[in-house]
This record gives sequence, C-alpha cells and structure tokens, in this order.
Amino acid sequence: QVQLQESGPGLVKPSETLSLTCAVSGYSISSGYYWGWIRQPPGKGLEWIGSIYHSGSTYYNPSLKSRVTISVDTSKNQFSLKLSSVTAADTAVYYCARARGDYVDYWGQGTLVTVSS
Amino acid sequence: QSVLTQPPSVSAAPGQKVTISCSGSSSNIGNNYVSWYQQLPGTAPKLLIYDNNKRPSGIPDRFSGSKSGTSATLGITGLQTGDEADYYCGTWDSSLSVYVVFGGGTKLTVL
Repeated sequence: QVQLQESGPGLVKPSETLSLTCAVSGYSISSGYYWGWIRQPPGKGLEWIGSIYHSGSTYYNPSLKSRVTISVDTSKNQFSLKLSSVTAADTAVYYCARARGDYVDYWGQGTLVTVSS
Repeated sequence: QSVLTQPPSVSAAPGQKVTISCSGSSSNIGNNYVSWYQQLPGTAPKLLIYDNNKRPSGIPDRFSGSKSGTSATLGITGLQTGDEADYYCGTWDSSLSVYVVFGGGTKLTVL
C-alpha cells in the first residue's frame, strides 16, 4: 500500500520560504510516476502547485512557477516543495500526492501551513 | 476563479440520483481525460473516476463518469448520507503550459 506523509513547519513568516517534505512508503519513487503538491486554502478548492517525474522533469502551475521548486531525493524515497516569498494568501493545507499524469491516485493526509508574523 | 466550472452545490434525497457537471474548454477537457475526486469533511480527496469513466478498485459502480466535448459529468445513483461531501473534477490544461487544473468543487447535500 502506497503511503505519503508530509512534514515541515506549520507556521512560516511572510516573505520567507515555505519548505515541505513528503516521505513515500510502499513504493519506490525511482520506479516511476509523477510526484506532486496540491494545496487547499481554508474553505476553498484545490490548487495544483506542480509535479516532478521520477526522472526529474518538473511541471509547475504557471501562476506559481516563479516561486516554486519541487525536487526529488530517490535515496531517501522522498520529494520536497519550496515556495518562496510567501504571503497570507499561501496559507493552506498542503497535500503531497502520487500522480499518474493528470490524476492523483494516492494522497497524503495534508498539513496546514499558516503564513503569519 | 477556477479554470473548470462546477456548480457550487447540488442536493438530492437518499436513494435518488444526482449529476455534477464540469465545464471547460478545448485546452483542457476538450483534449484530455477527466478525473473526479470526493473529499469528505476534514479528509484528503479520494479518487473516484479517472480517464473520464474508469473507477479505481474499491469504488462502487454507483459512481460513474462521462465526457462530451468540453464538459464532463459525474453521476451518483442510490445516494447515501455518507456521500455528502465536496466533489472536484480535474484534468490537464495546456493553455499556458502543461499542468493540472481543478474545478471549484461542488458540495453535495443528501437531504
């Protein structure tokens, strides 16, 4: 059974960089698929942040591309998200996920990140 | 404002059927597969439908999906109180670059 678990600070100051890691168990990232991040502001809908193929190719939401970096560490079987210059609008539950191209078949439980001073 | 358009809410009685629409354009739904997700309160979304009309293992056949042109529809028959949730459609969009887009979500109320 594939399982994903997000980890990282729950509180980030405005203008700083949000950093999250997703640990994957039950499947080797280097075996394939896309690995991505999706967020959901409180009371709002889902927003795709971006994804990375196991080979390292990345695909980012154009509206966030200038601030986002997704990377993968196959040795630790985990992947990471960095979102720079955050504002209150970046407050959301952040989900990591396994994507088979255009759809997600496994989701993490989500982690709330609040941007506040 | 979401790239894909869904009705904010739908409702129906237990045992009845409901449909949820998802409207897009040629840069997304019109040329790509559509997926559907169910999000129960306080939980992560769950895949219900992929490739327009395929159900993952474990998803009952009460849930169905279809696509026509630039629109897609999720159907749920034999409604149960446990189906009360938010439902999202998703697909690729290639208007600016290739990335995944979601609808704004539809709140299903089982009366």
